[in-house]
Amino acid sequence: DADVTQTPRNRITKTGKRIMLECSQTKGHDRMYWYRQDPGLGLRLIYYSFDVKDINKGEISDGYSVSRQAQAKFSLSLESAIPNQTALYFCATAEGGRGETQYFGPGTRLLVL
Amino acid sequence: EDQVTQSPEALRLQEGESSSLNCSYTVSGLRGLFWYRQDPGKGPEFLFTLYSAGEEKEKERLKATLTKKESFLHITAPKPEDSATYLCAVQGTDTGFQKLVFGTGTRLLVSP
Repeated sequence: DADVTQTPRNRITKTGKRIMLECSQTKGHDRMYWYRQDPGLGLRLIYYSFDVKDINKGEISDGYSVSRQAQAKFSLSLESAIPNQTALYFCATAEGGRGETQYFGPGTRLLVL
Repeated sequence: EDQVTQSPEALRLQEGESSSLNCSYTVSGLRGLFWYRQDPGKGPEFLFTLYSAGEEKEKERLKATLTKKESFLHITAPKPEDSATYLCAVQGTDTGFQKLVFGTGTRLLVSP
């Protein structure tokens, strides 16, 4: 089984709809991250969490919210989806320490019409 | 502000034709430099972490090296299964958390 799983893997939604992307991990890591990837722009950080009670905004958090339900679960919500939120979304986990390595999930491809 | 620039954007090689990918970076203090491999439609797969200039790491046909300004990913005698996008990222010391700043990647295609 994969260490980091994301659901759904693909999602099509309409402008104005609220949607949730979910991430679960079995690596036992405390730190979890949400990124989006757009062609030509690379991966950009949306939100990150160092533990269940610690949630922080990344560089592009507007229009998004997150929930850390447990150490192993970190959800990303789009409150009112808009077309420019069409992208690939990745969850990542890390255990911290020197040169913290992040491990990525398989991604969710989101299309907002 | 930490920055990462990767070159070339795309590279086409024949099987067995060795080459190198470049990752130039600016960071106030380097905590770590990371290489990932990403296949189409999949998440980045961790390859290497380099911590200080002069460090080298190898894995099969891949070898990563690091200087104070850039990192190279050397690919020796590549095979078609090495075709992927290779991402470089840095983690600096001047932020309050371990943020990764990514480059836009090099798309590698290895033809049989």
